[in-house]
Amino acid sequence: DARVTQTPRDKVTEMGQEVTMRCQPILGHNTVFWYRQTMMQGLELLAYFRNRAPLDDSGMPKDRFSAEMPDATLATLKIQPSEPRDSAVYFCASALGSFRDTGELFFGEGSRLTVL
Amino acid sequence: AQSVAQPEDQVNVAEGNPLTVKCTYSVSGNPYLFWYVQYPNRGLQFLLKYITGDNLVKGSYGFEAEFNKSQTSFHLKKPSALVSDSALYFCAVRPQLGGATNKLIFGTGTLLAVQP
Repeated sequence: DARVTQTPRDKVTEMGQEVTMRCQPILGHNTVFWYRQTMMQGLELLAYFRNRAPLDDSGMPKDRFSAEMPDATLATLKIQPSEPRDSAVYFCASALGSFRDTGELFFGEGSRLTVL
Repeated sequence: AQSVAQPEDQVNVAEGNPLTVKCTYSVSGNPYLFWYVQYPNRGLQFLLKYITGDNLVKGSYGFEAEFNKSQTSFHLKKPSALVSDSALYFCAVRPQLGGATNKLIFGTGTLLAVQP
């Protein structure tokens, strides 16, 4: 059963601490997205990658957020330093990313971040 | 600007009654349109999509959606609602022009509550 795996599922941390969230996309998918979900803003696209290269990270606060794909099986989203306003659920999604791709995204279960 | 609107924050319906969750879009060109569902504490799951062809598309769990180009709408429907359909529903559009062919633009979501 192919699925997107995210860790941790829940993270509580104190303001100023570094937070790293990890995502394992579905094997064979070459496009990876990071979304953030909050009650106030809904779903926001933070960044996305194709073939491990960042294509768009315009939705991400550059001063404290960074996203990388060290290899095809791992995507990371790092926040340093974290702030209370970063509290949200962070979703990773992957997609096939070929010319046949009609846009269906496969989402992970999310990482719920609480910054105190 | 390219956008998706879900005008209702919440839709209430009695079990067994038909349901409609509304979505309108504003994009350049011919869009790909999607519906996703999110159950509590879970990631989003793909329900159905419209790419081309028949304006009425059928998806998972008995849902269907009707594409109306003149009204730029893509409303989600089900003939007979179940309590288990209660969830958060997102409409999304993938623009075909402007270089943003991989990004999905999500609506703000509509909470569907089905009463027994």
